[in-house]
Amino acid sequence: AQSVTQPDARVTVSEGASLQLRCKYSYSGTPYLFWYVQYPRQGLQLLLKYYSGDPVVQGVNGFEAEFSKSNSSFHLRKASVHWSDSAVYFCVLTGNTGKLIFGLGTTLQVQP
Amino acid sequence: ETAVFQTPNYHVTQVGNEVSFNCKQTLGHDTMYWYKQDSKKLLKIMFSYNNKQLIVNETVPRRFSPQSSDKAHLNLRIKSVEPEDSAVYLCASSIRLSQNTLYFGAGTRLSVL
Repeated sequence: AQSVTQPDARVTVSEGASLQLRCKYSYSGTPYLFWYVQYPRQGLQLLLKYYSGDPVVQGVNGFEAEFSKSNSSFHLRKASVHWSDSAVYFCVLTGNTGKLIFGLGTTLQVQP
Repeated sequence: ETAVFQTPNYHVTQVGNEVSFNCKQTLGHDTMYWYKQDSKKLLKIMFSYNNKQLIVNETVPRRFSPQSSDKAHLNLRIKSVEPEDSAVYLCASSIRLSQNTLYFGAGTRLSVL
């Protein structure tokens, strides 16, 4: 069965600190993986996506994610967060059926 | 730049009323979707509409119905709202059904009193 787990419901970091948001997936085939961000009172926006190739993918605003088949993970990273990065981050999985499986989201709070 | 437009932003109504939400995309995409996001931020697909083909999530109550005049518009009607319908309804589009990058609108927040 397909599933996405974001083990941290909420993460708090200080501005300027590095960030990692965790995502674990379960899928028997080749996964397509995404990270979306939802700012307050807005819809979701695509940060980055992984289909194949280099396991480290670059996204917008300095975000990157690393795909690991052995760990079934797709963690999101940023070297130095800004207060404007405060938002909810969703890890999303899809496979050959095209059906999207959303994680429950991780709320990131960046403290000044 | 927003390319998926939803109206209204907010709507407050009473149990049993009918409501209708509008969604328009200017991206030229073939596929549109409605998602429901609850108070815990959980997202659930409700409908997808592609080339006049409607795909319904079987868990969606019958009081919900999508309405489309063309591929750029997909509205959502709720015939008789219930308290558990309070949520944010997000419209999205993608180039085609198999193209998985979604473009979302800002959402319509529904409160049922």
